[in-house]
Amino acid sequence: GAGVSQSPSNKVTEKGKDVELRCDPISGHTALYWYRQSLGQGLEFLIYFQGNSAPDKSGLPSDRFSAERTGGSVSTLTIQRTQQEDSAVYLCASSSSGGRWETQYFGPGTRLLVL
Amino acid sequence: AQKITQTQPGMFVQEKEAVTLDCTYDTSDQSYGLFWYKQPSSGEMIFLIYQGSYDEQNATEGRYSLNFQKARKSANLVISASQLGDSAMYFCAMRESHRSGGGADGLTFGKGTHLIIQP
Repeated sequence: GAGVSQSPSNKVTEKGKDVELRCDPISGHTALYWYRQSLGQGLEFLIYFQGNSAPDKSGLPSDRFSAERTGGSVSTLTIQRTQQEDSAVYLCASSSSGGRWETQYFGPGTRLLVL
Repeated sequence: AQKITQTQPGMFVQEKEAVTLDCTYDTSDQSYGLFWYKQPSSGEMIFLIYQGSYDEQNATEGRYSLNFQKARKSANLVISASQLGDSAMYFCAMRESHRSGGGADGLTFGKGTHLIIQP
């Protein structure tokens, strides 16, 4: 079946603009995860959804970052007033029910460049 | 302190040789899971193998096996009979059992090892 999809694949934006990144998990997967991969910080976990709710938002880097998930499927990560340090690859993953030892399947990522 | 340490930033290996990629971890949890992912130049993270902290047998998946030494807190990935297509970044990751926040719901990744297989 189809894997995790993310859009856009690449996004170039100007500093100060808002961006929205979209993730479509594997059909039927209830758990969804966002990560960020940058040269300086490596791979960082941002936020986790079980269904539509995110129990813990403390992994988000700042209050400019927000995420939502509606209908238990698609999720959107929004970055407001982008800064150059937000440039990174944003990866989304899903797992079938969020069990702690379940495999997380990753999408191809969105490459964000803030000029 | 780093939770996942991968001490080999880069490795060159001859095709058909076996490869061991090192990973040590730090946790106070008794129950945790260890994962290895491969990231080719295309960027997608590909799951390779999983080892649970209570699993008595080392995990194996085809040419991949995990050398799990719990007392030493190490979970090295072994790739047998390496192939040119194995050239990629390899990441070791852990998920802990506690839910105290601060990222416990996600995977914690190491910095990765860049493996290059030479013909």
